[in-house]
Amino acid sequence: DTEVTQTPKHLVMGMTNKKSLKCEQHMGHRAMYWYKQKAKKPPELMFVYSYEKLSINESVPSRFSPECPNSSLLNLHLHALQPEDSALYLCASSQGPAGEETQYFGPGTRLLVL
Amino acid sequence: DQQVKQNSPSLSVQEGRISILNCDYTNSMFDYFLWYKKYPAEGPTFLISISSIKDKNEDGRFTVFLNKSAKHLSLHIVPSQPGDSAVYFCAADNAGGTSYGKLTFGQGTILTVHP
Repeated sequence: DTEVTQTPKHLVMGMTNKKSLKCEQHMGHRAMYWYKQKAKKPPELMFVYSYEKLSINESVPSRFSPECPNSSLLNLHLHALQPEDSALYLCASSQGPAGEETQYFGPGTRLLVL
Repeated sequence: DQQVKQNSPSLSVQEGRISILNCDYTNSMFDYFLWYKKYPAEGPTFLISISSIKDKNEDGRFTVFLNKSAKHLSLHIVPSQPGDSAVYFCAADNAGGTSYGKLTFGQGTILTVHP
């Protein structure tokens, strides 16, 4: 089983709202990722968590705040977003902080910021 | 600076024929390569990977070839099926380095397989 689940599937929010995206995996993976994907572009890495610790932050604005409560869960807290933040947000996981890691992606959350 | 390039934005193939998707990279530190398939509004699905110590990896209808000296890899799909129609992303990783977990993606190639 290589399933990564994400909720919600779709989200519409105003620029003053606070919302959260959730990601879950039960594969025993110890590395989890957030990506952002705009239409007709490849996924762009935002954050990497390794053993529940933030190991990579790709200079993402502070209006995006990641959280890893435990090894199976990854959240992305959103606050005061801009319309240009509208995108597909993808979560992925991989076995752990070792080489030759295959990342498995969830279905994504389609976010629209009005 | 685009370190992973898929120079063909699209490819059209007849059902039953071979599809060949190409990918070039510039960073010689990349040592692990992956291909993902993506349908619209869905997450990428992992297809096949190859380590830099190999030059070929096969899984069913999918074969990936790596030419390290040319910094080139290709994905062969034989035979192609209409359900293979999707966007294909090549991705690379410096698995032995300190930036593990940071996949660098190509821009994607839209494959259309006609019945």
